[in-house]
Amino acid sequence: GENVEQHPSTLSVQEGDSAVIKCTYSDSASNYFPWYKQELGKGPQLIIDIRSNVGEKKDQRIAVTLNKTAKHFSLHITETQPEDSAVYFCAVAGTALIFGKGTTLSVSS
Amino acid sequence: SQTIHQWPATLVQPVGSPLSLECTVEGTSNPNLYWYRQAAGRGLQLLFYSVGIGQISSEVPQNLSASRPQDRQFILSSKKLLLSDSGFYLCAWSSGTWETQYFGPGTRLLVL
Repeated sequence: GENVEQHPSTLSVQEGDSAVIKCTYSDSASNYFPWYKQELGKGPQLIIDIRSNVGEKKDQRIAVTLNKTAKHFSLHITETQPEDSAVYFCAVAGTALIFGKGTTLSVSS
Repeated sequence: SQTIHQWPATLVQPVGSPLSLECTVEGTSNPNLYWYRQAAGRGLQLLFYSVGIGQISSEVPQNLSASRPQDRQFILSSKKLLLSDSGFYLCAWSSGTWETQYFGPGTRLLVL
């Protein structure tokens, strides 16, 4: 079955810096890759997603890149702010939706 | 627009007591529905999913069961809670199988 690896598990940055979280997957048939943000005590919220026919997608300070050949995709957050502090999950959809184990991002001011 | 509700928000139950958590979705028809458990830390573990009324698929053997009595209602139950059932329970919906899932606010369950 599909295997999703997410790195790093924790990430600390200074306000204004960029943050990058990477996920790798094993099933080359996977075709949909969402990213979720989970704030403390709340349910995960979809922040951006990408499909296999697109290499990059941007939404203001957030971007996702996909390398289907290498089977990895990354979340990029630029100009980080304290409110970006949360746990971020990647997910991979093929025959099922499989989540990574999450990355705790801490942005200090 | 679609909204998803879960209740209660927090629950403290003694070991051996029954459990019923409810999830409802508004603004969509025939959604796929999911129950996840999240242990302290992170990690989303899929427990059950349903593609229609009365159709339940279980992902892991456990002390829990799920039911879907109505199109937009999903219930997670247990006859006798265990300490290991403590966690954060999340309901989610999607319009298609394994497509974008939208999560509810969650129920924090503490079994003592």
